Amino acid sequence: GESVGLHLPTLSVQEGDNSIINCAYSNSASDYFIWYKQESGKGPQFIIDIRSNMDKRQGQRVTVLLNKTVKHLSLQIAATQPGDSAVYFCAETPLMNSGYSTLTFGKGTMLLVSP
Amino acid sequence: DAGVTQSPTHLIKTRGQHVTLRCSPISGHKSVSWYQQVLGQGPQFIFQYYEKEERGRGNFPDRFSARQFPNYSSELNVNALLLGDSALYLCASSFPFSGGLQETQYFGPGTRLLVL
Repeated sequence: GESVGLHLPTLSVQEGDNSIINCAYSNSASDYFIWYKQESGKGPQFIIDIRSNMDKRQGQRVTVLLNKTVKHLSLQIAATQPGDSAVYFCAETPLMNSGYSTLTFGKGTMLLVSP
Repeated sequence: DAGVTQSPTHLIKTRGQHVTLRCSPISGHKSVSWYQQVLGQGPQFIFQYYEKEERGRGNFPDRFSARQFPNYSSELNVNALLLGDSALYLCASSFPFSGGLQETQYFGPGTRLLVL
């Protein structure tokens, strides 16, 4: 797997702003993508997912965009709140030949929201 | 509804010891996956189990083993602990879809292992 250091990319925003977190994935065979939110000391929390037959999916205050041409995902958070402060991971999964799938996580982006 | 639960929450061991971590999946979920998350990195896949059988294994040494029980709970065992095994160990459960669709995995809070 890819090695990363302790210094995560960080996005700092003001409360009420819209946030955009980007992710580049590597496996062109991946066709299911998930965004997770991880708060300090906790496990990753599912936010939203998207399959490769879509290019956009909306949830409550969140939107995921998928660009398969350039293998890029983005997570948009509307009206960002202090409670949104966390590390955000994108994860990709292809369907393995043996019929199971596993998640490959990106580097993570730390979102800091100032009141 | 209860989510994925893991025990213990924290654990301190010394090099060479053995450790067993436990996971209970979301009710109705039949598949359990284990991940290792080193500080500052994303989780790395270790194992996936479904119906008590190993479906997949990541790039981890044979010191790592796991099993799944008839009630779909699971244990992760690590022998001969090394300092580098210090990490957050995450369990995720999923309900396998049919028709080749991938499963959404839901994570537990993790077990924080410190090897001294």
